[in-house]
Amino acid sequence: QSVLTQPPSVSGAPGQRVTISCTGSGSNIGTYDVHWYQHFPGTAPKFLIYGNNNRPSGVPDRFSGSKSGTSASLAITGLQAEDEADYYCQTYDRGLSISVFGGGTKLTVL
Amino acid sequence: QVQLVESGGGLVKPGGSLRLSCAGSGFNFSAYYMTWVRQAPGKGLECVSYISNSGNTIYYADSVKGRFTISRDNTQNLLYLQMTNLRAGDTAVYYCARDRRPGKNSGFAFWGQGTLVTASS
Repeated sequence: QSVLTQPPSVSGAPGQRVTISCTGSGSNIGTYDVHWYQHFPGTAPKFLIYGNNNRPSGVPDRFSGSKSGTSASLAITGLQAEDEADYYCQTYDRGLSISVFGGGTKLTVL
Repeated sequence: QVQLVESGGGLVKPGGSLRLSCAGSGFNFSAYYMTWVRQAPGKGLECVSYISNSGNTIYYADSVKGRFTISRDNTQNLLYLQMTNLRAGDTAVYYCARDRRPGKNSGFAFWGQGTLVTASS
């Protein structure tokens, strides 16, 4: 059971907008920045969003992040077939004294 | 450019030991915290352990505490994970990862390609 809770799956048609939620607590999301990763099986995770709402160079502006209180969200607009992947949120937990990931959300593009 | 290359994975019997290595290049290795992250088959990502840039601060996930030891050699730009008393549940792809900035929790901007550890009889 992950410290951060994500929906197991989300789906959307090409061109649509989807959001993925990440719910934590005051000892993690409520205190620290949240980061997001895109992961295709068999490859290394890709750094997607850092510091709640910042995109690394090269990440399309279709991807955006937000945080409020003890929850964070990843939004993907203009869905494309190539976006079909697993998505993970991540932050630091002061109780566990280690970084923690959400359980992951599988995005299916219909 | 930043590169992280893991090695040392393989098949080991339950109760056995293995040492993973991660070679860093293209950046000032001694300035950055380093982390080991794993993904078991069909499961999500899990932070296993991290070590501060100097090696003075170390933490482990409860699932590996007492069995795994993280260390680093800043003169050789190497990160290690010594794994002992391996269990079937430790079977996973192990990645080394580097934060975007020195310090912790700026996001894992760089990852190795991963090395597979299989604990099975």
